Amino acid sequence: KNQVEQSPQSLIILEGKNCTLQCNYTVSPFSNLRWYKQDTGRGPVSLTIMTFSENTKSNGRYTATLDADTKQSSLHITASQLSDSASYICVLNTGGFKTIFGAGTRLFVKA
Amino acid sequence: DAEITQSPRHKITETGRQVTLACHQTWNHNNMFWYRQDLGHGLRLIHYSYGVQDTNKGEVSDGYSVSRSNTEDLPLTLESAASSQTSVYFCASSPGQISEQYFGPGTRLTVT
Repeated sequence: KNQVEQSPQSLIILEGKNCTLQCNYTVSPFSNLRWYKQDTGRGPVSLTIMTFSENTKSNGRYTATLDADTKQSSLHITASQLSDSASYICVLNTGGFKTIFGAGTRLFVKA
Repeated sequence: DAEITQSPRHKITETGRQVTLACHQTWNHNNMFWYRQDLGHGLRLIHYSYGVQDTNKGEVSDGYSVSRSNTEDLPLTLESAASSQTSVYFCASSPGQISEQYFGPGTRLTVT
């Protein structure tokens, strides 16, 4: 079983709509949890970072939440734009350089 | 502006050939990483380096090697390319252990 599992695998939404991506993990505790955005043909770029004790972190239209009790994180995208079409990756840093990457959710925003 | 670059961006090679993928960063970060990304999998760590002359194996290091002769570069070598090494390879660097990693644009390698 993967230590970081993301759902859904892919998602199609209309421009202007909101969406929420899920990340379930089994590793606990951890140093931090990041959400990365990866555009097609590009490397991942960090969107948000939360430590084990934080509950929420925002970056513009992106809001990440963390529930340490249920071992879940979510990334909420508000008022989606065509440029939000990308893969979103949940990443746990468990200490030092040990990082665990989820397989990602592929988001398609349609006009 | 500081950046991290990879070359080539695309490479097709034959089974058994030696291949070297280049990674160059201008942030002066001590820490550099190589990952591979395959469909259905998260990024998987191949090798990493804490600084000059330091190299360490990641979770999928078999068939790969790296060397760190200066701060800016961490080339990844496939000693004898295999079809299972067809993948997209990403290089990354970071200033600290739990800091954000900055990723290069990736190299798509096809082994035929």
